[in-house]
Amino acid sequence: DGGITQSPKYLFRKEGQNVTLSCEQNLNHDAMYWYRQDPGQGLRLIYYSQIVNDFQKGDIAEGYSVSREKKESFPLTVTSAQKNPTAFYLCASTDRPGTEAFFGQGTRLTVV
Amino acid sequence: KQEVTQIPAALSVPEGENLVLNCSFTDSAIYNLQWFRQDPGKGLTSLLLIQSSQREQTSGRLNASLDKSSGRSTLYIAASQPGDSATYLCAVSMGGSQGNLIFGKGTKLSVKP
Repeated sequence: DGGITQSPKYLFRKEGQNVTLSCEQNLNHDAMYWYRQDPGQGLRLIYYSQIVNDFQKGDIAEGYSVSREKKESFPLTVTSAQKNPTAFYLCASTDRPGTEAFFGQGTRLTVV
Repeated sequence: KQEVTQIPAALSVPEGENLVLNCSFTDSAIYNLQWFRQDPGKGLTSLLLIQSSQREQTSGRLNASLDKSSGRSTLYIAASQPGDSATYLCAVSMGGSQGNLIFGKGTKLSVKP
């Protein structure tokens, strides 16, 4: 079945640690996106990538980094510079910009 | 800056009712609008995608309409069921090279048996 796989489902981070969230898609989509969801707020864009080896900052990129070395993979690293990382993180993809978006099942990150 | 608003924030209805969820956006120059469903602790499931040139889309008991000039969309759910209980999110794409979605905060729907 085609889709987007995010792992892990739950992740715990200690103060000062960097952690990496995985996102893999087998839809052969060109564009991939990372969003953050906080209670009572809409989803906010962290980073996006339209093609391999290229990515752009979204609205809340500070404290995050990404890479796009393969078309099917778009990992997100939450660095120690992100002061409030506890949130639900969602990865999405589209065939090309402006087409139907598909989402993964999310990763819940908690700072301990 | 595009802003998306969903009203009401929460809605509780008895099973079998027909209901309407509302979505409004401030900039009418959208490329498309998409409705999603989100169950607690889960990702988003795409329900309907309406292109800017379309007026409505239908899938089963769901019907979404778009009035681009007035900046509004509605999601109509016919004969609601307890399994429809979830949060419904509306999102718009402005097109261009970025292609990301701008989301409303959602409407939390509860359908009582």
